[in-house]
Amino acid sequence: SQQGEEDPQALSIQEGENATMNCSYKTSINNLQWYRQNSGRGLVHLILIRSNEREKHSGRLRVTLDTSKKSSSLLITASRAADTASYFCATSMTTDSWGKLQFGAGTQVVVTP
Amino acid sequence: NAGVMQNPRHLVRRRGQEARLRCSPMKGHSHVYWYRQLPEEGLKFMVYLQKENIIDESGMPKERFSAEFPKEGPSILRIQQVVRGDSAAYFCASSLPGQGTYEQYFGPGTRLTVT
Repeated sequence: SQQGEEDPQALSIQEGENATMNCSYKTSINNLQWYRQNSGRGLVHLILIRSNEREKHSGRLRVTLDTSKKSSSLLITASRAADTASYFCATSMTTDSWGKLQFGAGTQVVVTP
Repeated sequence: NAGVMQNPRHLVRRRGQEARLRCSPMKGHSHVYWYRQLPEEGLKFMVYLQKENIIDESGMPKERFSAEFPKEGPSILRIQQVVRGDSAAYFCASSLPGQGTYEQYFGPGTRLTVT
């Protein structure tokens, strides 16, 4: 099974609402990253959080990391239609010497106007 | 500064043919990574290359798949004798050497369809 697993698989909200998605992983990590993928496009890096950090912000994004529970959450505040995309978490495990990324299956977010 | 370039964006091959996917990393990036994405799934790591070296190919199928990153020119992912199960989106990413943050910048992908 995958190192990172996102929950929920899909999320539908209205503009202005907040969107929260979670990522759980199995083994110790160096860092965890969140990416966005618009339909049919490549991935865009959103934010990286290191294993010794608990929370990071970037614009309307807020990421938390709980290493004791091996989980992370991504919160998008005041969502916009342009936030419609798939969101993936990717972990870099401590057992990998060069920082190989292991991706989850993603959360599909649809923001309706 | 141009981002990661991949070509072609779409590739259609018949079973048994060869597929060549190209990736030009961002300027100044000497590390390249290839990933495969099946429909409705996340990306699966295939191979990590530095110029003229394969660092980690643990995600590459044992047969028919090969990758290179020559001293000059783009990185190439080559799939010989393609089968229907090879149909997927193939993404390339690049990063700076010794960056430490392991931030990878992704290209737009090549969508391979095997008929």
